[in-house]
Amino acid sequence: NAGVTQTPKFQVLKTGQSMTLQCAQDMNHEYMSWYRQDPGMGLRLIHYSVGAGITDQGEVPNGYNVSRSTTEDFPLRLLSAAPSQTSVYFCASKKRGITEAFFGQGTRLTVV
Amino acid sequence: TQLLEQSPQFLSIQEGENLTVYCNSSSVFSSLQWYRQEPGEGPVLLVTVVTGGEVKKLKRLTFQFGDARKDSSLHITAAQPGDTGLYLCAGVEYGNKLVFGAGTILRVKS
Repeated sequence: NAGVTQTPKFQVLKTGQSMTLQCAQDMNHEYMSWYRQDPGMGLRLIHYSVGAGITDQGEVPNGYNVSRSTTEDFPLRLLSAAPSQTSVYFCASKKRGITEAFFGQGTRLTVV
Repeated sequence: TQLLEQSPQFLSIQEGENLTVYCNSSSVFSSLQWYRQEPGEGPVLLVTVVTGGEVKKLKRLTFQFGDARKDSSLHITAAQPGDTGLYLCAGVEYGNKLVFGAGTILRVKS
């Protein structure tokens, strides 16, 4: 059972470049979400999805896009990278309701 | 979005000592979860508390949910170096969304 798989693990971008962080889960979870983790700030919610075709914004959505065309995949797009987006990004999935969230191993992104 | 405050931010203790981490909010959550995260990994769930006043034990870890469901605590008895990590509390909103506190970095020295 792979759980939640994130790629890549590390990425360096130049300011203004675009890229997509991939996230896939094989647990048939309805709910998927993207967080960024910065020192001293815990995990902040970027975007989330309660099912295929449905997405919504979290606390810090600016500069990021998402789509959910299948239950399994929830990619996060950076449209025009900025140094303020340097962070560690985590994708998570869970079943609906008060259930355990499963996290990927994270993507460490540096924007120079 | 409701806010969760965790304290302390950083804790460095000797093996065998006891410690308590606090998680407080001005709002009520339907439930609260505690996660532990090790360097280079994603957070992993330790426990979910749902009922006000609930106490759950996981070996040397004791979790409590406040009566008003606005606060929670994590108590570790006789800490060991293997307990070292980042401890995160997360409030569950609307049954799905997780709101995380800033975390407590725990270092247990042998």
